[in-house]
Amino acid sequence: EVQLVESGGGLVQPGGSLRLSCAASGFTFSSYEMNWVRQAPGKGLEWVSYISSSGSTIYYADSVKGRFTISRDNAKNSLYLQMNSLRAEDTAVYYCARESYYYDSRYMDVWGKGTTVTVSS
Amino acid sequence: AIRMTQSPSSLSASTGDRVTITCRASQGISSYLAWYQQKPGKAPKLLIYAASTLQSGVPSRFSGSGSGTDFTLTISCLQSEDFATYYCQQYYSYPSITFGQGTRLEIK
Repeated sequence: EVQLVESGGGLVQPGGSLRLSCAASGFTFSSYEMNWVRQAPGKGLEWVSYISSSGSTIYYADSVKGRFTISRDNAKNSLYLQMNSLRAEDTAVYYCARESYYYDSRYMDVWGKGTTVTVSS
Repeated sequence: AIRMTQSPSSLSASTGDRVTITCRASQGISSYLAWYQQKPGKAPKLLIYAASTLQSGVPSRFSGSGSGTDFTLTISCLQSEDFATYYCQQYYSYPSITFGQGTRLEIK
């Protein structure tokens, strides 16, 4: 079964750090590009970061640039998100999502169940 | 950034109804659009990509259309399991992906 399982969420104080993990199974992880997408309580979806299959290309949303770092370990079938200098507005459920494409159209076809990050004093 | 605006923001309908949700892009995005369904406490689920291509396993009562700036998601005959929130997403300004604000489909 194709599956993504996030972990590492929790309660952290403003200015603190947290590292999220996403364990992939059921597919060849090293062949796929990956994303982190978040959803603040009661709000819509916000794309956070992207990493290519090899890890050589990385992108961030402006809202997290300079504070978050995405990485992956293809040998461990794992995706990571290092979050530093956390703010209250980073409070959200964080999803990892697999990216697929059809010709030049891209989409996220596999999602994890999410892990909750709460930034509060 | 390309802004995606969905309408309506919420919608009440009955089982068996035909419903249409609209997504408008602030600039042309060709057919680089996907639709997702999200149920409370669950992850989003891909329904449609490339504006009109049905993802494998998604019931045929779901369909998508449009190109440029205006897109629609249609559910031809609502089932109880279809009551959820729906999001459009554009990939035109990749990697700056943006989602619509969501349309909540509720039981009348």
